[in-house]
Amino acid sequence: NAGVTQTPKFQVLKTGQSMTLQCAQDMNHEYMSWYRQDPGMGLRLIHYSVGAGITDQGEVPNGYNVSRSTTEDFPLRLLSAAPSQTSVYFCASRSTGSDTQYFGPGTRLTVL
Amino acid sequence: EDQVTQSPEALRLQEGESSSLNCSYTVSGLRGLFWYRQDPGKGPEFLFTLYSAGEEKEKERLKATLTKKESFLHITAPKPEDSATYLCAVYIYGGATNKLIFGTGTLLAVQP
Repeated sequence: NAGVTQTPKFQVLKTGQSMTLQCAQDMNHEYMSWYRQDPGMGLRLIHYSVGAGITDQGEVPNGYNVSRSTTEDFPLRLLSAAPSQTSVYFCASRSTGSDTQYFGPGTRLTVL
Repeated sequence: EDQVTQSPEALRLQEGESSSLNCSYTVSGLRGLFWYRQDPGKGPEFLFTLYSAGEEKEKERLKATLTKKESFLHITAPKPEDSATYLCAVYIYGGATNKLIFGTGTLLAVQP
């Protein structure tokens, strides 16, 4: 199993550009989530999904969209990038029968 | 307000010098507590889950313990490969779905 995979690993955007961060998992996990990690702050939840077709907002959802059309994939869309969205983004997944989340390797995003 | 605090922020040890990392929390409705290890440029890697006061979990040189107000990650005779950031996260009941709240981590450096 590859576990949780994320692409790209690095990305630089200009203010106002849009892009999609990709996340996939091959563990058949129902629950998937997106976090951002900023210096001096704990990981913060952006959006999550409890299954295909179901998504909800986390702690810091503004400026981000998600969709979940399949169990495996959970992309995160930045509609109009802002410098405040410069961060490291992590995708995570877990089975509904477990409390343990498994994290992907992250995407480091810089918005100029 | 739910809060998780980790101390110290950074810790430098000599190889073989045992120590402990602290994670204190003030939350309502604790469901469990997680410890993760994060290497530079990587995603958090799951270490332990603790559910009740008095519970202990061990893995190689690491032992995690839990009380009603805090958790400790004890590192016995550490090696340079134990150098990483250790993250604590509390899992709390959050209505429609449970929430994971992360601390800011302790950066551990073990010198040979």
